[in-house]
Amino acid sequence: AQSVTQLDSHVSVSEGTPVLLRCNYSSSVPPYLFWYVQYPNQGLQLLLKYTTGATLVKGINGFEAEFKKSETSFHLTKPSAHMSDAAEYFCVVSVPYSGGGADGLTFGKGTHLIIQP
Amino acid sequence: NAGVTQTPKFRVLKTGQSMTLLCAQDMNHEYMYWYRQDPGMGLRLIHYSVGEGTTAKGEVPDGYNVSRLKKQNFLLGLESAAPSQTSVYFCASSPRQGSSSGNTIYFGEGSWLTVV
Repeated sequence: AQSVTQLDSHVSVSEGTPVLLRCNYSSSVPPYLFWYVQYPNQGLQLLLKYTTGATLVKGINGFEAEFKKSETSFHLTKPSAHMSDAAEYFCVVSVPYSGGGADGLTFGKGTHLIIQP
Repeated sequence: NAGVTQTPKFRVLKTGQSMTLLCAQDMNHEYMYWYRQDPGMGLRLIHYSVGEGTTAKGEVPDGYNVSRLKKQNFLLGLESAAPSQTSVYFCASSPRQGSSSGNTIYFGEGSWLTVV
């Protein structure tokens, strides 16, 4: 079975400063990794995903994440925070389909990103 | 471009009442899911469907039933609502094997349910 840990439940940064949201995972097989963003009172929207290939993945709104197998991490970063980035962010791990059901998609508990003016 | 649509968005129920949440997707996706989101818990899978006429239990299925009579619709039923079912419910869909093949899961905007 796989698991995912978002190391911070809340992160507060000033507008214009870098953002780092941390995610660690465990999986017995090479995983697929995702970051989703949830704006207030809305559903979840895909920011970026890693499946195979290049370990540095670029997403929407200037976010990127790097898959580091040796550290079992998939941290989300952005060079300069904007007020509109305030939201809940979810790291998600999935293992390759092995038959049966919903693919073992596991959500982290979320990180609430606060942007200070 | 509707994507995944959930109805209703908000509902207040009394304990013991029943209700159905409707999810509709217009992307011809094979897979559909119902999740619940609770503070500090992330999203937890209630039930899912891998195709029309099929359903399966997820992580927290108790107290819920589902049906997928048409490919584009996935219904979530609460037979006898309990306060523990107060939550935000999200429907989602994906082309086939969900995120295991790298396919994106698309979410609806949520249904806020309060059971008093």
